[in-house]
Amino acid sequence: SQQGEEDPQALSIQEGENATMNCSYKTSINNLQWYRQNSGRGLVHLILIRSNEREKHSGRLRVTLDTSKKSSSLLITASRAADTASYFCATANYGNNRLAFGKGNQVVVIP
Amino acid sequence: NAGVTQTPKFQVLKTGQSMTLQCAQDMNHNSMYWYRQDPGMGLRLIYYSASEGTTDKGEVPNGYNVSRLNKREFSLRLESAAPSQTSVYFCASTAGQGIGKTEKLFFGSGTQLSVL
Repeated sequence: SQQGEEDPQALSIQEGENATMNCSYKTSINNLQWYRQNSGRGLVHLILIRSNEREKHSGRLRVTLDTSKKSSSLLITASRAADTASYFCATANYGNNRLAFGKGNQVVVIP
Repeated sequence: NAGVTQTPKFQVLKTGQSMTLQCAQDMNHNSMYWYRQDPGMGLRLIYYSASEGTTDKGEVPNGYNVSRLNKREFSLRLESAAPSQTSVYFCASTAGQGIGKTEKLFFGSGTQLSVL
């Protein structure tokens, strides 16, 4: 079954604004990861947050994890046109060696 | 380092034809994966190999076979292609830290496959 459901599915914002995406999952996880995919390209890893962490930062990215609600959020601050991409969350589950991906969020940053 | 290399980048097949998608990584990673990406469906795992010599089914293995040829290479074979297999295929790898500890994946650039 598909783990990781992002919300909202599509987001259009002005350059300089913040973009927030949410992800929910269903089972216990070891870690949760966020990836970016530019049109026609492979996925690129952005950030990983472990199940015992609540918040993590990387540059303009801020990820939170609430294991009690089985949800995570990705915040991109001061967005740029180059942030236009699809963003996916993925969960690493106990008991196997796989990552389960959500359906992705399309983010369009308007210059 | 090239990272994860997939070939071919594009392929058109007729229904019933067979083909093999090749994937190689030069990062000495233990684990390798094949995903397919369809519009509105995100990425779905086809097969994965946790370590050299092992392969396991993912969410959508029907119609596919895989071979972990050595530590570097993991191929995906379509024995008799069907239109439902029209998709973008991605190979990925990770160092692999044990069961339940899947870390950052490195992705190839993808193979766009059309089955007519």
